[in-house]
Amino acid sequence: DAGVIQSPRHEVTEMGQEVTLRCKPISGHNSLFWYRQTMMRGLELLIYFNNNVPIDDSGMPEDRFSAKMPNASFSTLKIQPSEPRDSAVYFCASSPGGFPKSPLHFGNGTRLTVT
Amino acid sequence: QKEVEQNSGPLSVPEGAIASLNCTYSDRGSQSFFWYRQYSGKSPELIMSIYSNGDKEDGRFTAQLNKASQYVSLLIRDSQPSDSATYLCAVNGGYQKVTFGTGTKLQVIP
Repeated sequence: DAGVIQSPRHEVTEMGQEVTLRCKPISGHNSLFWYRQTMMRGLELLIYFNNNVPIDDSGMPEDRFSAKMPNASFSTLKIQPSEPRDSAVYFCASSPGGFPKSPLHFGNGTRLTVT
Repeated sequence: QKEVEQNSGPLSVPEGAIASLNCTYSDRGSQSFFWYRQYSGKSPELIMSIYSNGDKEDGRFTAQLNKASQYVSLLIRDSQPSDSATYLCAVNGGYQKVTFGTGTKLQVIP
C-alpha cells in the first residue's frame, strides 16, 4: 500500500502566480478530501469528493481556488492567482467510504509559500 | 461557536503519568469520532476511533464518548516522551464531512 501521494512536497511561488497541487489517493478509496492547515486556523476542510464527484466545496475560501478529480486515481487543487495569505500546508486525504466509520488516510502534505 | 473545540495547550505531564485530552463538538447528529496524532512537520495519523457512548480501549489509549454532553476524550496511560505531539479531535458530522479541532499539544517530560 503506497499510501496517499502528494506532489510537490514544497512549493515556493510569487504572488499572482498559478499553483497546482496534486494528489493520488489510495487505490480503492472512493472519497477524497483536501484540507489546509495553518497555525491560526488548524485543519480546514476545503472540498471533498465521493466517487470523483464534488460533494461539498463550501470550505473553498474564494473563487481563486478550484479542485478537480478527473478520475479515481488523481485530483488537483489549483490556486490562481496565489496570494501570501494562501501560505499553508495543504493535505490530501482519502477514505474507503462506508460512512460514517471510515477514517481518513493523509498524504505527506504540500507546504506552500507565497511571497 | 466552533464546530469542534479543543484546548490548545500545551499540556505538560511527567513520564509515566496519565494524559487527558478533551474535545467538545456542536453537531448533535455527529456519528463518528476520531483522534489523530500529528508530530511536528508530519501528517496526521489515526490512533483511535469511537462510535458509541462509553469507553474504548486500545493498548495505552482509551477514548471516551458522551453524546448527551457532546464530549469526547482521550486518555493516554503511562505517557512516554514519544507521545509528545499534537492530538487532533475529528468529528464526522454527516456524509463523510470530517471536521477537525485545532489540536492540543502534549508534552511528556522525561
